Amino acid sequence: SQTIHQWPATLVQPVGSPLSLECTVEGTSNPNLYWYRQAAGRGLQLLFYSIGIDQISSEVPQNLSASRPQDRQFILSSKKLLLSDSGFYLCAWSVGSGNTIYFGEGSWLTVV
Amino acid sequence: AQSVTQLGSHVSVSEGALVLLRCNYSSSVPPYLFWYVQYPNQGLQLLLKYTTGATLVKGINGFEAEFKKSETSFHLTKPSAHMSDAAEYFCAVSEITGGGNKLTFGTGTQLKVEL
Repeated sequence: SQTIHQWPATLVQPVGSPLSLECTVEGTSNPNLYWYRQAAGRGLQLLFYSIGIDQISSEVPQNLSASRPQDRQFILSSKKLLLSDSGFYLCAWSVGSGNTIYFGEGSWLTVV
Repeated sequence: AQSVTQLGSHVSVSEGALVLLRCNYSSSVPPYLFWYVQYPNQGLQLLLKYTTGATLVKGINGFEAEFKKSETSFHLTKPSAHMSDAAEYFCAVSEITGGGNKLTFGTGTQLKVEL
């Protein structure tokens, strides 16, 4: 069966420091991969999605970037964090078109 | 572009009472619709989804939702609430892109279940 792993689960970082959140999917090939952010009291905002290696679309201009170095690995990065980057980050995957998107357990980022 | 509106950011019901969480969508193409549940500090778990066919969809934990095209709605219901149903619920509509799909979420409804 397919599983998704996301880490770290919790992260406290100072303003201006770099960020790297990693996500891997097991048990499937060529998944669509996603990064969502959930800010306190708000819904989920799609940040990036990828349909293949080095095929990444950015949904919202921001201080973050994403990379997909391998088929089942998706990394969310920042060179310099802002206070506004704090939130709950969710990695997700799907296969094909119109199918269910499955979420990881999320990563709490607090920028101080 | 698709959009989702969830009426009521907070809903409170008594244990054993009917749960009704409202969702209206906007889509220029036949939509795929989803309900997800999120327990505190966890990821999202799929409750149910509508793609095509029968408009009444049954999901996990006794939840169901009915797709009503004329009303552009996909409301979530459960006949009898349980304390364990307390969580945040998200409605979402799927947008099919080239080679994949994206979900647009509503802002969520926090369900509180009281004794």
